Amino acid sequence: TQLLEQSPQFLSIQEGENLTVYCNSSSVFSSLQWYRQEPGEGPVLLVTVVTGGEVKKLKRLTFQFGDARKDSSLHITAAQTGDTGLYLCAGASVETSGSRLTFGEGTQLTVNP
Amino acid sequence: GAVVSQHPSRVICKSGTSVKIECRSLDFQATTMFWYRQFPKQSLMLMATSNEGSKATYEQGVEKDKFLINHASLTLSTLTVTSAHPEDSSFYICSAQRGGGTYNEQFFGPGTRLTVL
Repeated sequence: TQLLEQSPQFLSIQEGENLTVYCNSSSVFSSLQWYRQEPGEGPVLLVTVVTGGEVKKLKRLTFQFGDARKDSSLHITAAQTGDTGLYLCAGASVETSGSRLTFGEGTQLTVNP
Repeated sequence: GAVVSQHPSRVICKSGTSVKIECRSLDFQATTMFWYRQFPKQSLMLMATSNEGSKATYEQGVEKDKFLINHASLTLSTLTVTSAHPEDSSFYICSAQRGGGTYNEQFFGPGTRLTVL
């Protein structure tokens, strides 16, 4: 079973602060997705990274895929209250046949005004 | 593009009854759909993988006779919770993968909150 360890599990910060969420695994992933989920709704795809060392930016969010494609990070600059939500990383492992994703345990982010 | 709908969004039922949840891909064909269950403040737990025209593949520990999945077309999958009990109360979410997609991206529905009394 592939594990995708996500940390921290909970994060409560003040508006304007920066933060980083990490996803780590011993497995190699052919692609890795980051999702954000708000209470009572389904996860929304933020980004997909596929190349080792790749960096993608989405406004104040910066996503990085590790060189070995085993880990990824999400960095948020100057967090806003609207960034509050559950952040999930999910990877498609090269070791797993089929199209299923392995999900991290999630990071519950609360940005306080 | 890549919009997935789920119906109903909320359902309350009595213990022992069956509930059907629909998942539709609105603007693309989904060769594969997934059904997840989610508990409060936790990640998604995969229940089953559904491929159009074939039997669903269930995860270990998920009762296939209790959670019936039908993927009748490239845009519709249904999950029927049979003889529901209070412990089945949860947030159920479906997702869909585009046919021909390269990166296994999944697009999620808005979820269905099931409450069994």
